[in-house]
Amino acid sequence: DIQMTQSPSTLSASVGDRVTITCRASQSISDWLAWYQQKPGKPPKLLIYTASSLQSGVPSRFSGSGSGTEYTLTISSLQPDDFATYYCQQYNEDPPTFGGGTKVEIK
Amino acid sequence: QAQLLQSGAEVKKPGASVKVSCKASGYTFTGHYMHWVRQAPGQGLEWMGWINPNNGITNYAQKFQGRVTMTRDTSISTGYMELSSLRSDDTAVYYCVNCRTTSSSGSFDYWGQGTLVTVSS
Repeated sequence: DIQMTQSPSTLSASVGDRVTITCRASQSISDWLAWYQQKPGKPPKLLIYTASSLQSGVPSRFSGSGSGTEYTLTISSLQPDDFATYYCQQYNEDPPTFGGGTKVEIK
Repeated sequence: QAQLLQSGAEVKKPGASVKVSCKASGYTFTGHYMHWVRQAPGQGLEWMGWINPNNGITNYAQKFQGRVTMTRDTSISTGYMELSSLRSDDTAVYYCVNCRTTSSSGSFDYWGQGTLVTVSS
């Protein structure tokens, strides 16, 4: 199985900060990568697919980039609604696997 | 707007089975693979498998082989996930999810609200 490693596991930031979360795959996943946002008690919400495509309805302050085995999710200016846990997921091959999550907390 | 509506919370004893339902609306049920993902309390996301609602073909994660069964009823646009021989570490929220593309692999654009399954003696 492809292992997905996210960093950091926790991130403290302030409103307006630029935030970057990294996801590393144990082998190349050819941009078959998605990012999700999850708030307590809610299901995850798709933000980005194929590494850099913004899901419909997601604010443009979210962006994804990367290639091969290393990918990043960037929030250009953190908003109060963005404090949540973020997960990456690879779907290059079965089984699809998720990163361990990054919790974005208020500084 | 696509929607996935899951059945309610369950409490089961160790060794029992649980069957969770997921009713789809707002899209062509047979046009997209349905996956199941679970999340233990305070933990990350774990993929369990998928079913092709068009023909009933399934693919399960190795970890759940022999314990999980995914089925569907196309007449009511509903998918089911049954997990048997429950253990305490099966306590989790179980989600049905819609694959964004029409293939088995893809990102997950619509999620059910989740069904909490608690396994306790």
